[in-house]
Amino acid sequence: GQSLEQPSEVTAVEGAIVQINCTYQTSGFYGLSWYQQHDGGAPTFLSYNALDGLEETGRFSSFLSRSDSYGYLLLQELQMKDSASYFCAVPTSGTYKYIFGTGTRLKVLA
Amino acid sequence: NAGVTQTPKFRVLKTGQSMTLLCAQDMNHEYMYWYRQDPGMGLRLIHYSVGEGTTAKGEVPDGYNVSRLKKQNFLLGLESAAPSQTSVYFCASSSLDEQFFGPGTRLTVL
Repeated sequence: GQSLEQPSEVTAVEGAIVQINCTYQTSGFYGLSWYQQHDGGAPTFLSYNALDGLEETGRFSSFLSRSDSYGYLLLQELQMKDSASYFCAVPTSGTYKYIFGTGTRLKVLA
Repeated sequence: NAGVTQTPKFRVLKTGQSMTLLCAQDMNHEYMYWYRQDPGMGLRLIHYSVGEGTTAKGEVPDGYNVSRLKKQNFLLGLESAAPSQTSVYFCASSSLDEQFFGPGTRLTVL
């Protein structure tokens, strides 16, 4: 089967760095995406990794290791507005049919 | 440029009633998707489309039908609503690696 696993919840304080992990099991692999969703809102795209390594976009970075079937989202200089749910997702078998993880709820404390 | 829009935003149905949710995108994307999201859960794919006139089943297609008569529109139908279909429904369109989501439709079936 195909699945993605993420921690259900992570808590950190303002200004800190937090890492949200995602391990995946898929029949074919084309890349790993990350989405952010605030309560009551729609998911919004953060990043996509097709190749191994680190991709940086401002305070957010995303990492992929294809050999380990593992990736993570790194959030630096945490702000209160980063409190949200974060989902990893993979497209399956080249069909652009996506599977999403169950999400990690990030709580940022003052 | 409105992106992805969904109508209606909220709806309450009685068991057995039918309804259609409309999704429209103005980004000329080939791929469109319908997801449902239940409290504390990730996104589950109901149906998707890889182009005008095509549709395919996702993870949880039972009880739903879809149509994509025009490239910019993707309709989701509930023929006979059941309480188990109470959920938030998100439509999305895709430009290869990134999905753009609509604001969602909150549906309650009594």
